[in-house]
Amino acid sequence: SYDLTQPPSVSVSPGQTVSIPCSGEKLGDKYVCWYQQKSGQSPVLVIYQDTKRPSGIPERFSGSTSENTATLTISGTQAMDEADYFCQAWDRNTEAIFGGGTRLTVL
Amino acid sequence: QLQLQESGPGLVKPSETLSLTCSVSGGSITISTYYWGWIRQSPGKGLQWIGNIYYSGYSYYNPSLKGRVTMSVDKGKNQFMLKLNSVTATDTAVYFCASYGGPSNSEAFDIWGQGTIVSVSS
Repeated sequence: SYDLTQPPSVSVSPGQTVSIPCSGEKLGDKYVCWYQQKSGQSPVLVIYQDTKRPSGIPERFSGSTSENTATLTISGTQAMDEADYFCQAWDRNTEAIFGGGTRLTVL
Repeated sequence: QLQLQESGPGLVKPSETLSLTCSVSGGSITISTYYWGWIRQSPGKGLQWIGNIYYSGYSYYNPSLKGRVTMSVDKGKNQFMLKLNSVTATDTAVYFCASYGGPSNSEAFDIWGQGTIVSVSS
């Protein structure tokens, strides 16, 4: 089965930039999306089709991809961005795969 | 704005069938671009996709659930349902219904329900 790998945790100081990687075999051939999940809440889509932001998502959230890695970048990180972040892609267009999630701590 | 709301028993006995319903409001379940799905999250863990269904009944499931999953649609009630049989303690999780093909017009889950906690215990 297809796997997506994320670091369990990352930390950042307020106002700084943080990047969260998501790796998978030939991930660059698939569309990747990213979800933010705050404690006790449902996930919220923050990036879709690798780089696009849904309406209402701040510009400080951006996405990028390379051959085997997708990256979520948060610029000018704010305390409200502290959350778990999950990447997701489709395998063979019929199976949704989630990464294990990365806990972002804003110190 | 489309909204989703899960409902169902919060406690299921081992070996029995977990049954959940997701009610769709603010729009029709027959909107041609939408696919409806279930995703779960075990306590303190990540997200696991369970499956998706289209209003026509076309469905596809996570192979790791080994044929225990069935989804269905009730167009008259604007609802879609999940059945997971032969449950064990490992099926204890928050179950979310979600959809894609909506506002983002993509295969990303852009609408989520609030989630419902299901515990498997005797």
